[in-house]
Amino acid sequence: KNEVEQSPQNLTAQEGEFITINCSYSVGISALHWLQQHPGGGIVSLFMLSSGKKKHGRLIATINIQEKHSSLHITASHPRDSAVYICAVDGATNKLIFGTGTLLAVQP
Amino acid sequence: DTEVTQTPKHLVMGMTNKKSLKCEQHMGHRAMYWYKQKAKKPPELMFVYSYEKLSINESVPSRFSPECPNSSLLNLHLHALQPEDSALYLCASSQGADDRVRYNEQFFGPGTRLTVL
Repeated sequence: KNEVEQSPQNLTAQEGEFITINCSYSVGISALHWLQQHPGGGIVSLFMLSSGKKKHGRLIATINIQEKHSSLHITASHPRDSAVYICAVDGATNKLIFGTGTLLAVQP
Repeated sequence: DTEVTQTPKHLVMGMTNKKSLKCEQHMGHRAMYWYKQKAKKPPELMFVYSYEKLSINESVPSRFSPECPNSSLLNLHLHALQPEDSALYLCASSQGADDRVRYNEQFFGPGTRLTVL
């Protein structure tokens, strides 16, 4: 079993829909990261959080440390949001543990 | 400047060639990373440099040789690669890599797409 699990693996949405991507982890962490990667491109850090909730534009990330669970929400989704979204956790060592990613396709 | 730059963007090389990938950051970060990413997979950590010293080598074959000439630069020297080494190579940096820094937000570069023929 992976230390970081994401769901769903694939997600197709219509433009304007509210989207939720989930991440569960089984290790102790100091922080959790949400990353975005467009096809063939580099990785952009969206959020780093250790408690509560963060918001940036149409993106919201929440984390529940007790339940070892985080969600990434996208409001009013747009085709340019189409990308792979990766959850990664910062464990005891100086290494990120990555989830397998969620491929999001937003159709116009 | 909150950017990590990587050159070249694309690289095609034969199995007998020697080439180098370069990474640069000017954020004052003291930890730098090399990752390898195959298609539809998450990045795999290869090396970590902390304060210009190699701190993590994830059992990477010796045909990959990292170098950190100074705190802003990170190179990856390639020699006698195999076709299965074809991948996206990502560089990242973070503020620090010791107990004084609790959070470790990594800033990634755009990557070098490597093809080994």
